Amino acid sequence: GIQVEQSPPDLILQEGANSTLRCNFSDSVNNLQWFHQNPWGQLINLFYIPSGTKQNGRLSATTVATERYSLLYISSSQTTDSGVYFCAVIYSGAGSYQLTFGKGTKLSVIP
Amino acid sequence: GAGVSQSPSNKVTEKGKDVELRCDPISGHTALYWYRQSLGQGLEFLIYFQGNSAPDKSGLPSDRFSAERTGGSVSTLTIQRTQQEDSAVYLCASSGTGPGYTFGSGTRLTVV
Repeated sequence: GIQVEQSPPDLILQEGANSTLRCNFSDSVNNLQWFHQNPWGQLINLFYIPSGTKQNGRLSATTVATERYSLLYISSSQTTDSGVYFCAVIYSGAGSYQLTFGKGTKLSVIP
Repeated sequence: GAGVSQSPSNKVTEKGKDVELRCDPISGHTALYWYRQSLGQGLEFLIYFQGNSAPDKSGLPSDRFSAERTGGSVSTLTIQRTQQEDSAVYLCASSGTGPGYTFGSGTRLTVV
């Protein structure tokens, strides 16, 4: 099956700093999503981005499908950004619908 | 409803007992998924329902696990004869015509 690797596994930031999280995947995809899991366990969908670039406030994401990677940018980080960020993909093969998740990047933003 | 609702939010059970976990998806969403998140791990696919089609059960880890979806809406995940390795957070998600998934808050299952 498709492999999803995220880096770094852990990241500690001072409040106000910027960061880039990376997601590499091993095969072609037709669906890529970034999720934020807050400290209470809730998974929030941040972006649906199988290709191109999107921005939402301090967050933006870019996927280069031909090179099989996606980046999530967090600018001017806040303590509320803490949690685990997951990248998840759906392989573009016929009949595929299952989201395969990476192991996540655990972000801690300290005041 | 406005979101995906899961119950109970927490469940502690004795080894060997059966448990039922419930998921109420967003109204009108035809697709429903169950995932499991073990401590420090990513999310593992368990089962997928789409409308009235036969579910994809390929992710269920053993025959002690089963799930059903009644009337194309509410789903129940049942774990029989629970084992300690079943301890995890069980997450349900639903999706409609759009590509995004909406997850519930999960059920934290602890088998003692």
